[in-house]
Amino acid sequence: GAGVSQSPSNKVTEKGKDVELRCDPISGHTALYWYRQSLGQGLEFLIYFQGNSAPDKSGLPSDRFSAERTGGSVSTLTIQRTQQEDSAVYLCASSLTGTDYNEQFFGPGTRLTVL
Amino acid sequence: AQSVAQPEDQVNVAEGNPLTVKCTYSVSGNPYLFWYVQYPNRGLQFLLKYITGDNLVKGSYGFEAEFNKSQTSFHLKKPSALVSDSALYFCAVRDRRAGRRALTFGSGTRLQVQP
Repeated sequence: GAGVSQSPSNKVTEKGKDVELRCDPISGHTALYWYRQSLGQGLEFLIYFQGNSAPDKSGLPSDRFSAERTGGSVSTLTIQRTQQEDSAVYLCASSLTGTDYNEQFFGPGTRLTVL
Repeated sequence: AQSVAQPEDQVNVAEGNPLTVKCTYSVSGNPYLFWYVQYPNRGLQFLLKYITGDNLVKGSYGFEAEFNKSQTSFHLKKPSALVSDSALYFCAVRDRRAGRRALTFGSGTRLQVQP
């Protein structure tokens, strides 16, 4: 079956522009996560969705970052007024439920470059 | 707070030799522990997890990991390394008691298997 997909695979933008990153989780997975991977910071958690609600947004670095999930499926991560420090690979993951021991399945990521 | 340490940035091993990638963790309660592998320009792939029970966990591609509660470690091992095992390996933890769904990752260890 299909895995987690993300689009675009690469995004180059200018400082100050808004960007939207999309994640399609594995069908039937109710839990969805966004992480960010950068050279200096490693893998950082951003936000967790259970269904369409986000019980844990504690990793969002600033109010320029927001995310939504609709229909318990597709999620969009939006970064407003991008800054150069936002450059990173943004990874989406999904799991069957939010149960602690379920492994997360990761997408290939979106590489964001802010010039 | 939960944390993971991977003390080695890189591990070099000759093909056919056993390999170990080290991981130690810190949680307030009992942990769920995971290993993921990342190949170049790919997302993270799940290798194995420890939930409870037998301290030796077997996973994909011949990898195994041993949970040691007294040493708070979860080292990844393989009896005979392959060149194709060369990749970036991440250990991750989730604290059962904290109720936080997100994974906390280590900084990653690059495994280089020489022919």
